[in-house]
Amino acid sequence: DADVTQTPRNRITKTGKRIMLECSQTKGHDRMYWYRQDPGLGLRLIYYSFDVKDINKGEISDGYSVSRQAQAKFSLSLESAIPNQTALYFCATSDSRDRGSEQFFGPGTRLTVL
Amino acid sequence: AQSVTQPDIHITVSEGASLELRCNYSYGATPYLFWYVQSPGQGLQLLLKYFSGDTLVQGIKGFEAEFKRSQSSFNLRKPSVHWSDAAEYFCAVGPLEGFKTIFGAGTRLFVKA
Repeated sequence: DADVTQTPRNRITKTGKRIMLECSQTKGHDRMYWYRQDPGLGLRLIYYSFDVKDINKGEISDGYSVSRQAQAKFSLSLESAIPNQTALYFCATSDSRDRGSEQFFGPGTRLTVL
Repeated sequence: AQSVTQPDIHITVSEGASLELRCNYSYGATPYLFWYVQSPGQGLQLLLKYFSGDTLVQGIKGFEAEFKRSQSSFNLRKPSVHWSDAAEYFCAVGPLEGFKTIFGAGTRLFVKA
């Protein structure tokens, strides 16, 4: 089984709808991240979480919210989706015990907002 | 301000030819430097990382990267490219506050027969 899983893998929705993207990990990492990927822009950080009690905004948090339900689960919500939120979304984890820890990525969720 | 620049949006090489992908960074202290690969329909996978020691780092899939402090560069190389190397490659630097990482915009590699 994959260490970092994301559901759904693909989603098409309409403007104004509420959408939740879910992420689960079995790596035992404390830190989790949500990114969006757009062509030519690389990965941009939406939110990140140090642990269940700590949530932080990234560079592009407007229009998004998150919930860290448990150490292993980190969900991303779009309260009222808009077309420019069409993108590929990635969840990632890292281990705070290793300062140079790389990030481990899920397979991504492709979201299309019509 | 910290930043990562990948000057090439896309590169095309012939199968069997050598490859070099460029990465320049701006970082106030000694950074951790990473190269990730994203194959179509998949998440990012770490190829290699560098923090200290030998400036030539070996990674998976036959890739290597060289850290040059004087040039603030961390270029990725492979002596002989295979068709399966076609993917997007991201250079990254960290850790920033909160164990964040900055990613470059990516370089898409095309491999022609």
